[in-house]
Amino acid sequence: NSKVIQTPRYLVKGQGQKAKMRCIPEKGHPVVFWYQQNKNNEFKFLINFQNQEVLQQIDMTEKRFSAECPSNSPCSLEIQSSEAGDSALYLCASSSFTGASAETLYFGSGTRLTVL
Amino acid sequence: QQQVRQSPQSLTVWEGETAILNCSYEDSTFDYFPWYRLFPGESPALLIAIRPVSNKKEDGRFTIFFNKREKKLSLHITDSQPGDSATYFCAASGQTGFASALTFGSGTKVIVLP
Repeated sequence: NSKVIQTPRYLVKGQGQKAKMRCIPEKGHPVVFWYQQNKNNEFKFLINFQNQEVLQQIDMTEKRFSAECPSNSPCSLEIQSSEAGDSALYLCASSSFTGASAETLYFGSGTRLTVL
Repeated sequence: QQQVRQSPQSLTVWEGETAILNCSYEDSTFDYFPWYRLFPGESPALLIAIRPVSNKKEDGRFTIFFNKREKKLSLHITDSQPGDSATYFCAASGQTGFASALTFGSGTKVIVLP
């Protein structure tokens, strides 16, 4: 069973409000990914970190989201001004990453965001 | 533009039959292809994965067949069991040596009837 912990499980916000979700990666995993999964089951990669540094992020994330993975604190993903289209399941995943090849992702249970 | 495509969207088989799930991809630099399985109410979890150095990877009743030339792969579940009922996601990534993100397909929902 995955030990990636995401909170809250459900989040309801009005349009224009901030929406913040948190993720505690599996112990010892330096790499953290955030994905958005829509109602059609499509995964959209948002951002990933190695230790505290951003590795990759998409344009949308750069403009409307803020994310961080501070040492000794949960990682967080925050939508600065929620839009109806942001309603989705937000999945956090962590990976051990040895540097040699792609590693298994361990997913949390997700935060389901509903923007009214 | 969806870089990883899966078909069918859903699949129903009888217990004991072989379920065949298809996946194709666009990016020829992809070099790692994991399949993740999602049971209702749980988190996606890695089931089996393959790299292009092989054209087949087997793990128990689960086998990946890979065709690099056609950029296609398939997951075969032999002797399907009701407990295999889940949504299966094909994924792909490239740039080994870098923690690059996986690109996921939209999944195939498998129902195994007893």
